[in-house]
Amino acid sequence: GDSVTQMEGPVTLSEEAFLTINCTYTATGYPSLFWYVQYPGEGLQLLLKATKADDKGSNKGFEATYRKETTSFHLEKGSVQVSDSAVYFCALSRTAGYALNFGKGTSLLVTP
Amino acid sequence: EAGVVQSPRYKIIEKKQPVAFWCNPISGHNTLYWYLQNLGQGPELLIRYENEEAVDDSQLPKDRFSAERLKGVDSTLKIQPAELGDSAVYLCASSLVPDYEQYFGPGTRLTVT
Repeated sequence: GDSVTQMEGPVTLSEEAFLTINCTYTATGYPSLFWYVQYPGEGLQLLLKATKADDKGSNKGFEATYRKETTSFHLEKGSVQVSDSAVYFCALSRTAGYALNFGKGTSLLVTP
Repeated sequence: EAGVVQSPRYKIIEKKQPVAFWCNPISGHNTLYWYLQNLGQGPELLIRYENEEAVDDSQLPKDRFSAERLKGVDSTLKIQPAELGDSAVYLCASSLVPDYEQYFGPGTRLTVT
């Protein structure tokens, strides 16, 4: 069945450091890929998405590129801030309206 | 625009007691989801509704869990009787097909003692 594997945390970075959170997936067909973020005490929010191969999703300085050849959707940010501290979830969906299949989440802590 | 509303936010019950969670999706969203999130894990689907029809309930433990979405708007998820292993966060989300984005509520944190 479909599955998502993302790097385990916690990840601790200093402010302005470069961030990469790895995500790989297993799925039949051509799923859509997502990154969701969960800030402390808040609900899940969509950070970015990509619906076909080679698409790049971007938002708030974060980027991820849908790589079908490596079945990956790694999250990157060039310079993290303390306010980026949160748990990040990679997810896939077969099509619009279908349930999301989430990874286990990666906790990020950014220190001043 | 109001987001997905869930209540209660927190619930503590003793095992074998019943419990119910309520969700009000974003107005006009025809698809509603209930997810279960265990500590340190990603959310997992329990049930998905399209309007008032449950179109995917394959992961719902039907011996103790039930759900309904009357009139295709609000939804209630019930557990009876609750077990210690049901302690988790129960998330509700909604979407407007064909849009991919699912909007999540803040969740209900259930503790079973």
